[in-house]
Amino acid sequence: GAGVSQSPSNKVTEKGKDVELRCDPISGHTALYWYRQSLGQGLEFLIYFQGNSAPDKSGLPSDRFSAERTGGSVSTLTIQRTQQEDSAVYLCASSLIPYGYTFGSGTRLTVV
Amino acid sequence: QKEVEQDPGPLSVPEGAIVSLNCTYSNSAFQYFMWYRQYSRKGPELLMYTYSSGNKEDGRFTAQVDKSSKYISLFIRDSQPSDSATYLCAKVTGNQFYFGTGTSLTVIP
Repeated sequence: GAGVSQSPSNKVTEKGKDVELRCDPISGHTALYWYRQSLGQGLEFLIYFQGNSAPDKSGLPSDRFSAERTGGSVSTLTIQRTQQEDSAVYLCASSLIPYGYTFGSGTRLTVV
Repeated sequence: QKEVEQDPGPLSVPEGAIVSLNCTYSNSAFQYFMWYRQYSRKGPELLMYTYSSGNKEDGRFTAQVDKSSKYISLFIRDSQPSDSATYLCAKVTGNQFYFGTGTSLTVIP
């Protein structure tokens, strides 16, 4: 596609429920990042996929968070047993080269 | 100490003013720097990137890096209301991006 597509754009969930957030990167982009953006906190790195290499999961805040990337394309970020502090905008970015990442518009997650 | 520090603002200027947005960074491993612009409810979009010290111009935008003082700046000339957004600086080391918290800019017509 023309850009990075994320779905859903908004998600409201009850505390304790699991959620899945989807990222469809630009076709052919080998690198894919997930970030979390909270008000006044800037962008927080979560996980990085590069081609077929093992992902860099060093930014995942707890074992409730996991992500996978199938076939080197679409990625899903899963948050289990959601907590109110998980409320944030989750951004995905992809790139073919080490700079010039293209971000999606994000998924705004609200845990009530 | 955070990898990148950025004054959150908010910054409000009249149309036509020169805007200066600034960040400081820590650590000096090989890296490059980026500026992103983020409109409300949108993802960040890349404005400029630079590897080296000195200035890089692109239209009304100039990115400046001073590695001796670990200071990065974005200047916007002849600011327009459409420049109103949050501006994020970023330092990239290897495959790690470190973002500032963003500076909110409003350009008043």
